[in-house]
Amino acid sequence: GEDVEQSLFLSVREGDSSVINCTYTDSSSTYLYWYKQEPGAGLQLLTYIFSNMDMKQDQRLTVLLNKKDKHLSLRIADTQTGDSAIYFCAESGGGATNKLIFGTGTLLAVQP
Amino acid sequence: DGGITQSPKYLFRKEGQNVTLSCEQNLNHDAMYWYRQDPGQGLRLIYYSQIVNDFQKGDIAEGYSVSREKKESFPLTVTSAQKNPTAFYLCASSIGTRGETQYFGPGTRLLVL
Repeated sequence: GEDVEQSLFLSVREGDSSVINCTYTDSSSTYLYWYKQEPGAGLQLLTYIFSNMDMKQDQRLTVLLNKKDKHLSLRIADTQTGDSAIYFCAESGGGATNKLIFGTGTLLAVQP
Repeated sequence: DGGITQSPKYLFRKEGQNVTLSCEQNLNHDAMYWYRQDPGQGLRLIYYSQIVNDFQKGDIAEGYSVSREKKESFPLTVTSAQKNPTAFYLCASSIGTRGETQYFGPGTRLLVL
C-alpha cells in the first residue's frame, strides 16, 4: 500500500541549513507537500511541488524531488529557533478522493 | 478573515458518552476532511466530504460519524463505540478533490476522563 517515511528527529544549530528527508511509495502521486506543525497547533502548509518538477524554491525553503528514487527533501536555509517544529511530508494519493498520505513527521530542534 | 475554525480547543469525554467536534470554514471550499493524529504518528483520515450532503469513510471511520448539511460545516461525532478516542483531531478543507491543497484548522484535543 501507500507509505511515506521520514526520520524522526533532526538537530541543527541556529544559522545552519536543515535538510529533512522523505521517501514515498506511490508513483502516481500528483503533488507532494510539506507541512509544519508547532506544539499544540494545526498544520501549516509550507510548500508543495508538482510531480513533474524536480525543484522548487521559495525564500529560505528549497524542495527537491527525485521521482526515480521517490525521494523528497526540504532544505531550510539559515535555520532559526522559530523553525523548531514537526515537519510532515505528505503525498496526494491520487484517484478521486484527494486523500493525503502523511509521514510520521520529523521533529526539528534548532539549538541557539 | 478567511480560514478554518475548530472548537473546542480541548474536549473531555466520559466513558460511554458521545461528543461532537465542530469544524467551520469560510473559504468556500467544496471538500472537507477529518484526520486523527496520535503521538509520534502521522495523520490518518477518518471521513471526508466532497460536496454538501455527501461523505465517505476514510481509513479509520469505525466509531465516528459525520454530517455535511451545509457547505461551511462538517461536524465530527466521536461515539461511545470508539474505544480509544484520546487524540488530536484536525479538520481540513480544499477547493475540490483533484489534487488541490488542503488547509488545516487549529485542531481539537480530545481526552477521556
